[in-house]
Amino acid sequence: DGGITQSPKYLFRKEGQNVTLSCEQNLNHDAMYWYRQDPGQGLRLIYYSQIVNDFQKGDIAEGYSVSREKKESFPLTVTSAQKNPTAFYLCASRSSTWQGFVTGELFFGEGSRLTVL
Amino acid sequence: AQSVTQPDIHITVSEGASLELRCNYSYGATPYLFWYVQSPGQGLQLLLKYFSGDTLVQGIKGFEAEFKRSQSSFNLRKPSVHWSDAAEYFCAAPNYGGSQGNLIFGKGTKLSVKP
Repeated sequence: DGGITQSPKYLFRKEGQNVTLSCEQNLNHDAMYWYRQDPGQGLRLIYYSQIVNDFQKGDIAEGYSVSREKKESFPLTVTSAQKNPTAFYLCASRSSTWQGFVTGELFFGEGSRLTVL
Repeated sequence: AQSVTQPDIHITVSEGASLELRCNYSYGATPYLFWYVQSPGQGLQLLLKYFSGDTLVQGIKGFEAEFKRSQSSFNLRKPSVHWSDAAEYFCAAPNYGGSQGNLIFGKGTKLSVKP
């Protein structure tokens, strides 16, 4: 079955370390997104990529970096510059059809919880 | 600016009771509208979506939502809640304000179910 796989499910990081969250999809979607979720704040967009080798900052990109070398993969690196990285991170993708582009319907992975010790 | 608002942060209902979760949108035209559900520690799952046509939309797990243009609302309903419905629910609509091509989400409503 097609879907989005995020790993690891849980990740612990010491202060000052960079960590990378994996996001892989086999839906053949061009657009991929990273969201951060904190209690009571809903979903906030970190980075997005509409096509391979291109990505854009979202609303809260500071302290994060991404790459998009393959259509299937959109890893997120949480750098030591991110002041408060403890959060739940969600990866999503959007269909490349006309309907997908117009409606914006998103498909989500199961999420990764990052905790800074 | 376009926005999606969920007025209720937390709702508690008894098992077997009916449920209505509110969602209001602020858009110039009729938007596409979505309801997603998130169980604790999980990703978001699509419950239902409104694109056009019939204003009463049926979704998975016995949920339905009604689009009311006059009230700018897209409320989610279920006639009889089950304990397994305890989760957080998000209303969403397209982000037409930028080039992201993604969705704008409400802040979510957490549903608790009393036995």
